[in-house]
Amino acid sequence: DQQVKQNSPSLSVQEGRISILNCDYTNSMFDYFLWYKKYPAEGPTFLISISSIKDKNEDGRFTVFLNKSAKHLSLHIVPSQPGDSAVYFCAAFTSGTYKYIFGTGTRLKVLA
Amino acid sequence: EAGVVQSPRYKIIEKKQPVAFWCNPISGHNTLYWYLQNLGQGPELLIRYENEEAVDDSQLPKDRFSAERLKGVDSTLKIQPAELGDSAVYLCASSFHTGNEQFFGPGTRLTVL
Repeated sequence: DQQVKQNSPSLSVQEGRISILNCDYTNSMFDYFLWYKKYPAEGPTFLISISSIKDKNEDGRFTVFLNKSAKHLSLHIVPSQPGDSAVYFCAAFTSGTYKYIFGTGTRLKVLA
Repeated sequence: EAGVVQSPRYKIIEKKQPVAFWCNPISGHNTLYWYLQNLGQGPELLIRYENEEAVDDSQLPKDRFSAERLKGVDSTLKIQPAELGDSAVYLCASSFHTGNEQFFGPGTRLTVL
């Protein structure tokens, strides 16, 4: 049972345009959501997070939107840069169990 | 400040052999995680330590996997005996406390032949 789903395994975007990465979840008990970025041969690095009591969090070029009714979150990167090319994982956290559940990742390629 | 250190970075062994992975978390981080990442998948938690106590090992296959964090600092994950299906990347992460931001190491890529 995949509680956190990233249905798009890959995405290509032109440099300077917006990248939108999507994530769906099934467990309404998740109370914190995170996005991680992973380059080849490196571990994931934290990018941005959002609490379940908010619907938007912004950090520079990165914005995460949360739609609790749809159990959907998205990461917007604008403008996209070639250095953003990586695999992006969304993750959900439950403070009751202290478990992080990761999605399967979306490979973003930003074309110069 | 040094990040999470893992060794070895790569390991190739034959099935039925034992293997061990080592992780040194960021200094001062009380919580340490071991994750398994299969190709094309996200990380899956194997075990979580708070200091030297394994507080969540529900996903650890205890028939062949074991882990320890004796002094509440560095940690070792062992597989004995390894099976073909254990080929994956083993990631270690740490955080100041559970629920805080996790910092991941580069991982150990295990290949079982």
